Amino acid sequence: GQNIDQPTEMTATEGAIVQINCTYQTSGFNGLFWYQQHAGEAPTFLSYNVLDGLEEKGRFSSFLSRSKGYSYLLLKELQMKDSASYLCAVLDSNYQLIWGAGTKLIIKP
Amino acid sequence: GAGVSQSPRYKVTKRGQDVALRCDPISGHVSLYWYRQALGQGPEFLTYFNYEAQQDKSGLPNDRFSAERPEGSISTLTIQRTEQRDSAMYRCASSLEHVSEQYFGPGTRLTVT
Repeated sequence: GQNIDQPTEMTATEGAIVQINCTYQTSGFNGLFWYQQHAGEAPTFLSYNVLDGLEEKGRFSSFLSRSKGYSYLLLKELQMKDSASYLCAVLDSNYQLIWGAGTKLIIKP
Repeated sequence: GAGVSQSPRYKVTKRGQDVALRCDPISGHVSLYWYRQALGQGPEFLTYFNYEAQQDKSGLPNDRFSAERPEGSISTLTIQRTEQRDSAMYRCASSLEHVSEQYFGPGTRLTVT
């Protein structure tokens, strides 16, 4: 079967750094997406990785290791507005997007 | 330009009734997706279209669910003979092409009483 694993919930402090991990076992791999979803709202696109390495975009960075079936999302200089769920999704060999359950990130002042 | 829109935003229906949920994607987007999302979970794939062609409907739970996109733009997800277990948030997303990032609509909250 296909599986995406993320921690259910994480807590971090405003101004700090947090790393949200995602491990996957899928039939094939054609890229990995991270989305942010605030409570009661639609998911919004954050990043896409298809090659190994780190992609940096402002305060957010995403890392991929295809050999380890592993990705992480790194959020720096945390702000209260970063409180949200972060969803990892993998494009499998059929180009179908397999979604994780999401990690709820709680930011404390 | 406008993002993805969905209507109605909220729908309450009685068990056994049919419902039609509408999605208006971003203009020019080739691919359109339907998902169902439970609280605290990621989106659950239902079906997707490239242009007007339904490419994959493997996620539709049973034959009471159907979808169409007749002119390659607006799409309708229809649920016949609704059951209480169909209550959920139904989300639509579109993308420029199948493998690019998806843009989600606000969703339709369906409640079957």
